[in-house]
Amino acid sequence: DAGVTQSPTHLIKTRGQQVTLRCSPKSGHDTVSWYQQALGQGPQFIFQYYEEEERQRGNFPDRFSGHQFPNYSSELNVNALLLGDSALYLCASSFFSGNTGELFFGEGSRLTVL
Amino acid sequence: RKEVEQDPGPFNVPEGATVAFNCTYSNSASQSFFWYRQDCRKEPKLLMSVYSSGNEDGRFTAQLNRASQYISLLIRDSKLSDSATYLCVVNSARGFGNEKLTFGTGTRLTIIP
Repeated sequence: DAGVTQSPTHLIKTRGQQVTLRCSPKSGHDTVSWYQQALGQGPQFIFQYYEEEERQRGNFPDRFSGHQFPNYSSELNVNALLLGDSALYLCASSFFSGNTGELFFGEGSRLTVL
Repeated sequence: RKEVEQDPGPFNVPEGATVAFNCTYSNSASQSFFWYRQDCRKEPKLLMSVYSSGNEDGRFTAQLNRASQYISLLIRDSKLSDSATYLCVVNSARGFGNEKLTFGTGTRLTIIP
């Protein structure tokens, strides 16, 4: 049973560039959430996708956008990168009707902005 | 004020000791509560849910006080493998399937041999 997979695992970008991160949810899950985890902090909710629509959004600017595909996989896009966007980006999957509060996280994509 | 506040630690305790973590949350409408564990440079994983009646899973006991908006985690007879960061988590979702988890900063625990 494949868990949540994310790619790439590490990447380095420069200020002003754009980045796309990818996520495949755990088998059987239909909901994908994205979190940003800065060093020494807990994960912060960016947004959640279900049925290819953004269902909820945290306090992140419009530079952060996403997409969910029919196979439930998802992308996170960040435009006009800032130094402060350097963080671990975590994808988490769940089953929409589960409502258990348990999210299954991928190992994350570590983004460094220079 | 942060939605979920917890002491960042670090907590350095000897093997076999009992350690307690505390957490407070600000949104009184929060529906469900959890403790997640995160090992160094790894992803967070659910440790246990927290219920008003209190719940226990082996050496771990979690308590919720809704009136005080306070959550706790107790680890008894600590093991070296308990070394990790413990994240207090609150689900502020409204309705089915809308998990919107708010994480605390995390408390780093190191068990000393």
